[in-house]
Amino acid sequence: DTEVTQTPKHLVMGMTNKKSLKCEQHMGHRAMYWYKQKAKKPPELMFVYSYEKLSINESVPSRFSPECPNSSLLNLHLHALQPEDSALYLCASSQDAGVGYTFGSGTRLTVV
Amino acid sequence: EDQVTQSPEALRLQEGESSSLNCSYTVSGLRGLFWYRQDPGKGPEFLFTLYSAGEEKEKERLKATLTKKESFLHITAPKPEDSATYLCAVYIQGAQKLVFGQGTRLTINP
Repeated sequence: DTEVTQTPKHLVMGMTNKKSLKCEQHMGHRAMYWYKQKAKKPPELMFVYSYEKLSINESVPSRFSPECPNSSLLNLHLHALQPEDSALYLCASSQDAGVGYTFGSGTRLTVV
Repeated sequence: EDQVTQSPEALRLQEGESSSLNCSYTVSGLRGLFWYRQDPGKGPEFLFTLYSAGEEKEKERLKATLTKKESFLHITAPKPEDSATYLCAVYIQGAQKLVFGQGTRLTINP
């Protein structure tokens, strides 16, 4: 299995909702990432997990809450989002830092 | 400041018309330079990793090269299915993160 699987593919949520994005990989990668990508812009790093521990938080607002339940799973919990948070959310994994990242297909999030 | 700059921002070619995309970087502690292809609404698809100046890698119609200050993605005799956004990224060891350039939107007309 050489894929990173993200669910759901599309999500529409209101500003008072609570939702979660899920990411799964079975490549034995020990680093996992969340990126945010706005239209016609490059991906921007949000969080890095290394060996299931949060190692980098790029000053992301607390309405985004990451979780790494085990070495294969990564979640992003969403609460009280704003319309400007609408974007493509990408999960990625890598065997180690500095080695090629494998990206999932992303979750297209729309906040209404 | 660590920076990755891609040019051109957009490029339109005729099918079969070869060209090159540029990625210039100013970073400290470069650990690797990566090229990705991204189709609209999809995640980036890994193409190449380059680690040292002089290194070259090829895949079908694509060839990536690396110098101390820039990388080129050469596309030979492109086809319409090569149309995509091509992203360059560098891994910055001190910051432990991958930093992307703005991308080049490539369109190949039949």
